[in-house]
Amino acid sequence: KQEVTQIPAALSVPEGENLVLNCSFTDSAIYNLQWFRQDPGKGLTSLLLIQSSQREQTSGRLNASLDKSSGRSTLYIAASQPGDSATYLCAVRPFNAGNMLTFGGGTRLMVKP
Amino acid sequence: NAGVTQTPKFRILKIGQSMTLQCTQDMNHNYMYWYRQDPGMGLKLIYYSVGAGITDKGEVPNGYNVSRSTTEDFPLRLELAAPSQTSVYFCASSYSLPPNYGYTFGSGTRLTVV
Repeated sequence: KQEVTQIPAALSVPEGENLVLNCSFTDSAIYNLQWFRQDPGKGLTSLLLIQSSQREQTSGRLNASLDKSSGRSTLYIAASQPGDSATYLCAVRPFNAGNMLTFGGGTRLMVKP
Repeated sequence: NAGVTQTPKFRILKIGQSMTLQCTQDMNHNYMYWYRQDPGMGLKLIYYSVGAGITDKGEVPNGYNVSRSTTEDFPLRLELAAPSQTSVYFCASSYSLPPNYGYTFGSGTRLTVV
């Protein structure tokens, strides 16, 4: 059974720092991996989707990498801002699970001014 | 575009009561899903549908039912509410093909059972 783990569970950094969020998964047989942002009391917003054949995706200050063989992904946030404060979730789409996603528990990020 | 719309946003139920969580999408996605999120946890799949008239169980289906009479709507029914069903419920939709399309989520329904 696919399991997704995110470390750390919570992170607090001063504004301007570059930071890395980690995601690991137990089964490398995946179609893709997706990073989401969740603001308190809100739904999930898709940030980046990495196909299994890709190594990384970039959007603005965000860069996500995927190492399928080692079961790892990282989300790099450059020059963090207070507006980046949110919970970040990663999810994988396994081969044998139709279109379903398996989620990690998330990393709660606080960027202090 | 409205995307995925969920109603209500908040609800308090008494033990044993029933309710339906509504979900509508206007993107003509064929796949739809219901997830629940408990505090500090990731999302767990309750039920999903690959198209009108077709539904299937996810990881945590007990205590819930769904129907999919149209492409747009995918309501979730709680028949006998229990405190263990206190959670935030998210509806989502996606295309089925190609396999690399992402999801669109609704804003969630926060349910408390007392």
